[in-house]
Amino acid sequence: NAGVTQTPKFQVLKTGQSMTLQCAQDMNHEYMSWYRQDPGMGLRLIHYSVGAGITDQGEVPNGYNVSRSTTEDFPLRLLSAAPSQTSVYFCASSRLAGGGDTQYFGPGTRLTVL
Amino acid sequence: GNSVTQMEGPVTLSEEAFLTINCTYTATGYPSLFWYVQYPGEGLQLLLKATKADDKGSNKGFEATYRKETTSFHLEKGSVQVSDSAVYFCALRSDKFYFGSGTKLNVKP
Repeated sequence: NAGVTQTPKFQVLKTGQSMTLQCAQDMNHEYMSWYRQDPGMGLRLIHYSVGAGITDQGEVPNGYNVSRSTTEDFPLRLLSAAPSQTSVYFCASSRLAGGGDTQYFGPGTRLTVL
Repeated sequence: GNSVTQMEGPVTLSEEAFLTINCTYTATGYPSLFWYVQYPGEGLQLLLKATKADDKGSNKGFEATYRKETTSFHLEKGSVQVSDSAVYFCALRSDKFYFGSGTKLNVKP
């Protein structure tokens, strides 16, 4: 049981490049989400999904796309990277039913945009 | 709307000191409340939770009580250790998860 996995761990991009951050979970969780963490800003929700084929925007969705074709995978796409997207990105998952269920977090992807 | 406010850090304590990190929330309905801990270079992990009013969550010597009347979920530990140095996040879950901005704790030997 690997939990939530994220790849890559580190990435450096040039302004304007695109890339996909991968996230997978093996706990059959319906709910998955992407956050970015910036110094002094805590966690900010980018996008989330309540099941395969269903996604919705969070607090800071601009510049990012997501899709959820399977229960296990929830990739985050940066369409045209900007220095403002330099951050640490965390993927998380949880069961949908039951308000007391916690989120399980991946180890994070540290992204630098030059 | 839903939101979480927690005390700003950093908080610096000596080993064996008493810890309190304040957390208050605004929510519609009856959310579940959580404390997460993040060690350097790692993702967040659940520390404790409470799912209804007056519940007390506890783990590793940390405690927090769900106070509906004061909309609070303060984190406490009677005697901190150097190994408790980390960033602590208060969070609530209603339709989504909402996180506070995090409080960095430094414990000195």
